[in-house]
Amino acid sequence: AQSVSQHNHHVILSEAASLELGCNYSYGGTVNLFWYVQYPGQHLQLLLKYFSGDPLVKGIKGFEAEFIKSKFSFNLRKPSVQWSDTAEYFCAVNADNYGQNFVFGPGTRLSVLP
Amino acid sequence: DSGVTQTPKHLITATGQRVTLRCSPRSGDLSVYWYQQSLDQGLQFLIQYYNGEERAKGNILERFSAQQFPDLHSELNLSSLELGDSALYFCASSDLAGRSYNEQFFGPGTRLTVL
Repeated sequence: AQSVSQHNHHVILSEAASLELGCNYSYGGTVNLFWYVQYPGQHLQLLLKYFSGDPLVKGIKGFEAEFIKSKFSFNLRKPSVQWSDTAEYFCAVNADNYGQNFVFGPGTRLSVLP
Repeated sequence: DSGVTQTPKHLITATGQRVTLRCSPRSGDLSVYWYQQSLDQGLQFLIQYYNGEERAKGNILERFSAQQFPDLHSELNLSSLELGDSALYFCASSDLAGRSYNEQFFGPGTRLTVL
């Protein structure tokens, strides 16, 4: 079965620091990849997604992610974080051959200090 | 606002009871997903319905069941509730139409507390 791992459970950064959150998945076929964000007390919102084409994907709020097929990775990046980026970040995979159910990673909690 | 609505927002009940959570998907979305989010288990996929039929099943307990009605709204029924069922239950919808790259749109969730 497919699975998703996220490297860090909790990341603490100061404002203006650069961010990279790791995501790795286990599935050898075609995958669609997503990053969701959950702000405190809110529901999950899509940050960005990859399904084909340019492996460098740009999302909302200055986030981007790079799909590296050979490494089964889809890391999320942001050059300069803000206090408002404090949230939980979830990587998700939807593999074509597994029907339409998503597999979410365990999440990474990001705390940005002002 | 994602366009997905869930009711109620909060639910407090006792062990052994049964509750029903309701979800209305975005207009036009045929697929509904249910998730359970708890501190120790993270975000767990429970079940998916597509146009009224069960499409995929995840880590859903036998005490839980769901259905999707002709108007596409969905209900998640939780019975014989235990303390460990306390969690945030999310519903999400997507417009599949065979496109697995479509993202899911999440509702605000129902916070269930079992006392």
